[in-house]
Amino acid sequence: GENVEQHPSTLSVQEGDSAVIKCTYSDSASNYFPWYKQELGKRPQLIIDIRSNVGEKKDQRIAVTLNKTAKHFSLHITETQPEDSAVYFCAAGNKFYFGSGTKLNVKP
Amino acid sequence: KAGVTQTPRYLIKTRGQQVTLSCSPISGHRSVSWYQQTPGQGLQFLFEYFSETQRNKGNFPGRFSGRQFSNSRSEMNVSTLELGDSALYLCASRRDRAYEQYFGPGTRLTVT
Repeated sequence: GENVEQHPSTLSVQEGDSAVIKCTYSDSASNYFPWYKQELGKRPQLIIDIRSNVGEKKDQRIAVTLNKTAKHFSLHITETQPEDSAVYFCAAGNKFYFGSGTKLNVKP
Repeated sequence: KAGVTQTPRYLIKTRGQQVTLSCSPISGHRSVSWYQQTPGQGLQFLFEYFSETQRNKGNFPGRFSGRQFSNSRSEMNVSTLELGDSALYLCASRRDRAYEQYFGPGTRLTVT
């Protein structure tokens, strides 16, 4: 089955800085890569996703890049704000194998 | 449109008992997936149901089972509960042939 690895497990940045979270996957047949944000005590929320036929996708301050050859994809958050503090999960494949999560802390 | 709902939100059970959790998907969504979330293991895929049939299955023992009804509502059952089954159980729904899935608030199961 699919194996998704996510790094780092924790990330602390200063407000206004950029944050990058990276994931690798093992199944070359995977064609869908979503990112979820989960605030404490709340459900995961889809924040951005990318299909395998696209290399990059942006939505305001967040972007996702995909390198199919290397089997890795990344989440980029620019101009971070305290409300970006949460756990972020990547996932891959139609069985939605999730990474282990990254706890992002944005310090004001 | 109403979101995904799950009942109950909290549950305390004793080791050896069984439990049934319920999930109502967004109207029009026929696919329902279940996940177990624990601090140590993250989000792990249990199974997916579509049109009352199990379409995909994760790597969980047979004590974990599910079903889906004709109105797309889904239930999951865990028999012979173990302490390690304590977790947040999340369900998510999506439209047919769509990738985007939407999560419910989860059921927090505590096994004592």
